Parts: sequence; C-alpha cells; structure tokens
Amino acid sequence: QVQLVQSGAEVKKPGASVKVSCKTSGYTFSVYYMHWVRQAPGQGLEWMGWIHPNSGATNYAPNFQGRVTLTRDTSTNTVYMELNRLKSDDAAVYYCVRENWYFDFWGRGTLVTVSS
Amino acid sequence: DIVMTQSPDSLAVSLGERATINCKSSQSIVHSSNNKNSLSWFQQKPGQPPKVLIYWASTRESGVPDRFSGSGSGTDFTLTISSLQAEDVAVYYCQQYSNLPRTFGQGTRVEIK
Repeated sequence: QVQLVQSGAEVKKPGASVKVSCKTSGYTFSVYYMHWVRQAPGQGLEWMGWIHPNSGATNYAPNFQGRVTLTRDTSTNTVYMELNRLKSDDAAVYYCVRENWYFDFWGRGTLVTVSS
Repeated sequence: DIVMTQSPDSLAVSLGERATINCKSSQSIVHSSNNKNSLSWFQQKPGQPPKVLIYWASTRESGVPDRFSGSGSGTDFTLTISSLQAEDVAVYYCQQYSNLPRTFGQGTRVEIK
C-alpha cells in the first residue's frame, strides 16, 4: 500500500533552515509528482511546489521562490523540502502529497515551530 | 493564479439532513489534456491530513461513502453530503489541479445543528 512517512517535528529559531523528509513506499517512486503543502495553525492549505522524482525537475510557488528547495534521493525513494530564512509565520504543518492527476495520498505532516 | 472561493465559510446541519458546499473558480479549470474539470474535494478532521473525497469534480474516491457527491463544471462546483452523519464533522476544501500554482478554497467548516 502507498505510504508517505514524514520526519518528526522540528523547532527552529528565526533565520534558521529546516529540512523535512518524506519517505515513500508501496508504489513506483519515479512515476508520480510529489508536492508540498503547508497549513499554519487554524488556517487553510497553501501549495509550496512540486518535484518530479525521475528528473528532479521542480516548480515553486512564487511566495516561496528563493527560499524553498525540493530534492529527492532515488536510492531511498525519499523527497525532501528545505525552507530557509525561517520567519515566525512559517510555523505550520508541512505535508508531502503524491499527485496521480489529483492529490491522492498525503503524508501525516511535520510540525515546524519557529521560536526564538 | 486561479482563485478558489468557497461558500459558506461554515455550515450547521441536522443529522440526516443535506449539506451543500459551493466552490467557484476564477477561471475555467478544464484540464487541457482530457477536457475534464480538474477539481477535487477534501475532508480534513482535526489533527489529520486532508483526505480526498472527490476528483475530476464528480468521481468519488474508492472507499468514500456514497452520501458524498460532487457536481458542476466550468467555474461552479458543489459538494453535497446527502444525509449528514456525526463522523462528517470536518473542514472541507476544494482544490484545482488544472494550473500551477495549485490552489485551494479557504475551507468550509461543517458542524451538527
């Protein structure tokens, strides 16, 4: 069965970077785009970008351009999201999401807390 | 960017009654490759990730109860819960996947009256 297992919660200081992992299993890793979506406490869903695991091609939302980097490791079927220069309003749950035309499988989310 | 606007923001419905959520896109979300409406509906319960209910505007995801249905085309879409159950209390989001950036509606909270 498809599984997206994300890394654990992180606490970071403003200005720092965070790198969240999403280890996949149960399907052919190289075939499906992987997206990242975040959700601030009590707020809605915000799309951050995607990566194609086969080519490594990426596309980022304008709001995150220059601060976010998506990468993948094809040897471990894992994708990564790194967000730099963290601000207080980056505090959120970050989700990896598989796209099979539509968003069909979500990771359980990784809570990132930004606090001095 | 395509703006997705849901209405209402919240909804209180009696058990067994119908709940209707609307979603309007700022432009057509017909997918260029297959002429289908690229619209999904998600259900999110507290502490959980969103779960897809409907895709291609009206196709129910496997395992989703048939009291959930989606309709609409072009720029206007609807999610209907035909007979609200206690376990349906959640926030519901629409999302378009025809264009980048992928965009979501602001969410509609459904509660029991």
